[in-house]
Amino acid sequence: QQQVKQSPQSLIVQKGGISIINCAYENTAFDYFPWYQQFPGKGPALLIAIRPDVSEKKEGRFTISFNKSAKQFSLHIMDSQPGDSATYFCAAGAGSARQLTFGSGTQLTVLP
Amino acid sequence: EAGVAQSPRYKIIEKRQSVAFWCNPISGHATLYWYQQILGQGPKLLIQFQNNGVVDDSQLPKDRFSAERLKGVDSTLKIQPAKLEDSAVYLCASGQGAAYEQYFGPGTRLTVT
Repeated sequence: QQQVKQSPQSLIVQKGGISIINCAYENTAFDYFPWYQQFPGKGPALLIAIRPDVSEKKEGRFTISFNKSAKQFSLHIMDSQPGDSATYFCAAGAGSARQLTFGSGTQLTVLP
Repeated sequence: EAGVAQSPRYKIIEKRQSVAFWCNPISGHATLYWYQQILGQGPKLLIQFQNNGVVDDSQLPKDRFSAERLKGVDSTLKIQPAKLEDSAVYLCASGQGAAYEQYFGPGTRLTVT
């Protein structure tokens, strides 16, 4: 019940295209849904996050769409750039300890 | 503001040897996390500290892993003895207690041969 399922495992997109990564969860106690970006040799970095009281959050080219009834959320990267090539992790947070459960990651490659 | 510091960045050891990793969190961050990230997987929480106390170590293999955070600042994670399946990146993250946001260090890549 603590799992966060992420898909696809890998994604190849042309420069300028839209990248979409999906995550699903079961635990309704989750109340924080961040996306992290990780480049090779680096630690994950917080990209954008959403709370379940809103259905969408946009920051620049990055948008989170959240569907509470379906227990799903997704990351949309508009106008994808080669510099966006990285591994993206969704996560979900719950509890007073503020712990995160991470998805398995999506390796995004944006072709020039 | 300096980020989370970790050392060493890389370590290669033989199985049954011991190894220790060090983490210095962002100044003022009360919460410190150690994660294990196996190649191709997401980070998995090993242990969480709040100041110098353990909040959760339910996922820490206590027969071989230990961690401490003396004085509520720096932390060390130790593995003794190491197994082949311990090969992974060990990530340290810190946060401001009541907030969910976690800030990760660059990690230590451990290879056990």
